[in-house]
Amino acid sequence: DAKTTQPPSMDCAEGRAANLPCNHSTISGNEYVYWYRQIHSQGPQYIIHGLKNNETNEMASLIITEDRKSSTLILPHATLRDTAVYYCIVRVVYNNDMRFGAGTRLTVKP
Amino acid sequence: SAVISQKPSRDICQRGTSLTIQCQVDSQVTMMFWYRQQPGQSLTLIATANQGSEATYESGFVIDKFPISRPNLTFSTLTVSNMSPEDSSIYLCSGELRGYTGELFFGEGSRLTVL
Repeated sequence: DAKTTQPPSMDCAEGRAANLPCNHSTISGNEYVYWYRQIHSQGPQYIIHGLKNNETNEMASLIITEDRKSSTLILPHATLRDTAVYYCIVRVVYNNDMRFGAGTRLTVKP
Repeated sequence: SAVISQKPSRDICQRGTSLTIQCQVDSQVTMMFWYRQQPGQSLTLIATANQGSEATYESGFVIDKFPISRPNLTFSTLTVSNMSPEDSSIYLCSGELRGYTGELFFGEGSRLTVL
């Protein structure tokens, strides 16, 4: 079973921030939070990951709550090309445990 | 980052035959993962392949049906044996780079149709 819970779908207006939540209430102290996305007919693409501090890169920001039981992926200015399924995964680095849940299907609308 | 190439990108096969999917990485990777993705579904982990050791299979997947090779740090193969129409799916490989903190890079997948 996946260790994360995500809403099955979300909509976002183009140009607005997309905030994708993820619950991981059973996360262990040595597990990282990873986000991937899969655009239709392509392989999954790594977005960002973090342990307990908030992280930002050129694609997105990751906000992890202080208790680490949930996180939010933020796409600051969503475009139509951000339409994809977004997966939140928790995992110990170099562990045989890279399992995907159902993910959130984000639709960015003009 | 890493570039992962899979061959074939797609194939149509007859029931009862076997197909080997190749996965080539342009960098050395520690762990490689093989996934299956049915249409409209999420990815299901088949097995984890480490160089120099037997692959570790997830529940519901067995070595006789999905033998895996991992001869070096940049290459792996997955064979789908004695195929049936239920094996029609997209098969994806991914690799975890040495020196990185766990992010995986994925190939574009191999779309398999079994008639």
